[in-house]
Amino acid sequence: GQQLNQSPQSMFIQEGEDVSMNCTSSSIFNTWLWYKQDPGEGPVLLIALYKAGELTSNGRLTAQFGITRKDSFLNISASIPSDVGIYFCAGFMTTDSWGKLQFGAGTQVVVTP
Amino acid sequence: DAEITQSPRHKITETGRQVTLACHQTWNHNNMFWYRQDLGHGLRLIHYSYGVHDTNKGEVSDGYSVSRSNTEDLPLTLESAASSQTSVYFCASSEGRGPSDTQYFGPGTRLTVL
Repeated sequence: GQQLNQSPQSMFIQEGEDVSMNCTSSSIFNTWLWYKQDPGEGPVLLIALYKAGELTSNGRLTAQFGITRKDSFLNISASIPSDVGIYFCAGFMTTDSWGKLQFGAGTQVVVTP
Repeated sequence: DAEITQSPRHKITETGRQVTLACHQTWNHNNMFWYRQDLGHGLRLIHYSYGVHDTNKGEVSDGYSVSRSNTEDLPLTLESAASSQTSVYFCASSEGRGPSDTQYFGPGTRLTVL
């Protein structure tokens, strides 16, 4: 099925640095979601985006819905050790069916002191 | 506090055996979902349910079945386990069925098929 391309696959950063990751698709999406997964846990929703061009923040996290509707970006500012985990993008091609939710493969973030 | 739980957390089984993974949520959510997570693939939807007695196939439903006899539970059954079904399985639930309804995920079940 449709797969989102998420990059980078992994990032090794120092505490205090900013982190950027993105997700692209060949199809237009109506909704973009960003999740974080801690080791041994299930994903937790961080940010949801519903309109092209929308920019939304959640603490040190900022996500944007690309204007082409085929991409989304997540930035983490001033990283701290608890930012470690896997970040997933996910998107909807329609507005009414969870059956069409697509996930990216994830970006593994490692923060070193 | 309301929560979503999965059991067992770890399971090792043999090829050909039937396996059932449990998912239980106490939010009284109508919608429940099963995903599998594999390296390089992210999360892929197996089955989902919008209410009691309702079930729907997701992207990777072959070899899996679900049944929904009450609001709280959606067990996932592997009829005849195969090595390709070695994976981490996540259950999730949501109040509504639209993109604005947050899906809450369980802690996952790591299944190994030998």
